[in-house]
Amino acid sequence: GQSLEQPSEVTAVEGAIVQINCTYQTSGFYGLSWYQQHDGGAPTFLSYNALDGLEETGRFSSFLSRSDSYGYLLLQELQMKDSASYFCAVKDTGGFKTIFGAGTRLFVKA
Amino acid sequence: SQTIHQWPATLVQPVGSPLSLECTVEGTSNPNLYWYRQAAGRGLQLLFYSVGIGQISSEVPQNLSASRPQDRQFILSSKKLLLSDSGFYLCAWSKSGPGYTFGSGTRLTVV
Repeated sequence: GQSLEQPSEVTAVEGAIVQINCTYQTSGFYGLSWYQQHDGGAPTFLSYNALDGLEETGRFSSFLSRSDSYGYLLLQELQMKDSASYFCAVKDTGGFKTIFGAGTRLFVKA
Repeated sequence: SQTIHQWPATLVQPVGSPLSLECTVEGTSNPNLYWYRQAAGRGLQLLFYSVGIGQISSEVPQNLSASRPQDRQFILSSKKLLLSDSGFYLCAWSKSGPGYTFGSGTRLTVV
């Protein structure tokens, strides 16, 4: 079967750094993506890793280790507006389907 | 630029009634199209995807169906809604890039 595991909740202080981990077990793998979803809104695409290593996009970075079936999203200089749910997602072989994790709710405190 | 439209935003339907949710994409051709459902506080469940007109792949057997009558139009339907069909329905599209672009979603409550 296919499954993605990520923590259900994370709390951090404004200005801090937080890491959201994701482990996956899928029948095929084409890349690991991260999405952000604010309450009541639609998910928005943040980052994508097809190869091992770190990808940086502004305050957000994403890491992938294919041998460990593991990745993480790193958020730096946290802001209150970063309070949202973050989903890791795996594209299956062929790249047509994306399976999402259950999401991590991030609470940023002042 | 590409845009995705999804409607209605909110829908309250009685059990046993039919359903039709529509999604259209503008500014691109031959996109991959997807329907996801999200239960409150949960992840996204892939329901259907389509890589071309008339080509529908179903991921979850249930009383929902999908159709793609035109290149940039994707419709989610049901003949008879169940209470368990309540949720947040999201349409999305992708093409050559790795990410999906989601519509604003339809919040469906079956009563």
